Amino acid sequence: DAKTTQPTSMDCAEGRAANLPCNHSTISGNEYVYWYRQIHSQGPQYIIHGLKNNETNEMASLIITEDRKSSTLILPHATLRDTAVYYCIVRTPYTGNMLTFGGGTRLMVKP
Amino acid sequence: DGGITQSPKYLFRKEGQNVTLSCEQNLNHDAMYWYRQDPGQGLRLIYYSQIVNDFQKGDIAEGYSVSREKKESFPLTVTSAQKNPTAFYLCASSSGGTGITGTQYFGPGTRLTVL
Repeated sequence: DAKTTQPTSMDCAEGRAANLPCNHSTISGNEYVYWYRQIHSQGPQYIIHGLKNNETNEMASLIITEDRKSSTLILPHATLRDTAVYYCIVRTPYTGNMLTFGGGTRLMVKP
Repeated sequence: DGGITQSPKYLFRKEGQNVTLSCEQNLNHDAMYWYRQDPGQGLRLIYYSQIVNDFQKGDIAEGYSVSREKKESFPLTVTSAQKNPTAFYLCASSSGGTGITGTQYFGPGTRLTVL
């Protein structure tokens, strides 16, 4: 699986959009970009994933650059409950493929 | 409510004892996984199962055992052979058995402490 690079931490004001970047310059053609988040002492929560096109669901939007070497997760209106560590993962969707979490970005939403 | 449940949430064990962690899912998922997370670290795969009555070792299977007798259940036993068992244990499941699989969804975790 391709390696990802994320900023260690970010702050965001409550009610504003949180834009979390991820670099994955070695991504291959059949690898998807997944985003999970983990609130302290809880299990990771799936947010969104995509292959080439931008994706949106009730939680967030995922913007993938045309060359697929980077992506941005957007939380449109961050709340205090969005404070968590956000993980960007690039992987092929095969059953035995370990979900590898790197360092992630610690997002702090402030009032 | 559909989802993955793990029990107990907190577990304390004396050295030398085996302990079994429960994982149940009602998502009708074929594949199930066990991960271990140490403080400030990412996830490491212990075992996974693609279908009932079949399971495969992950990267850190030594000192652990699993069974998959039912589709909805994938219990993990931490044996006395596991040298550093104190950790946060996470169970996950995904649709699809062999080959292409869907997104992995996680349970709330069990925090095991060896005294």
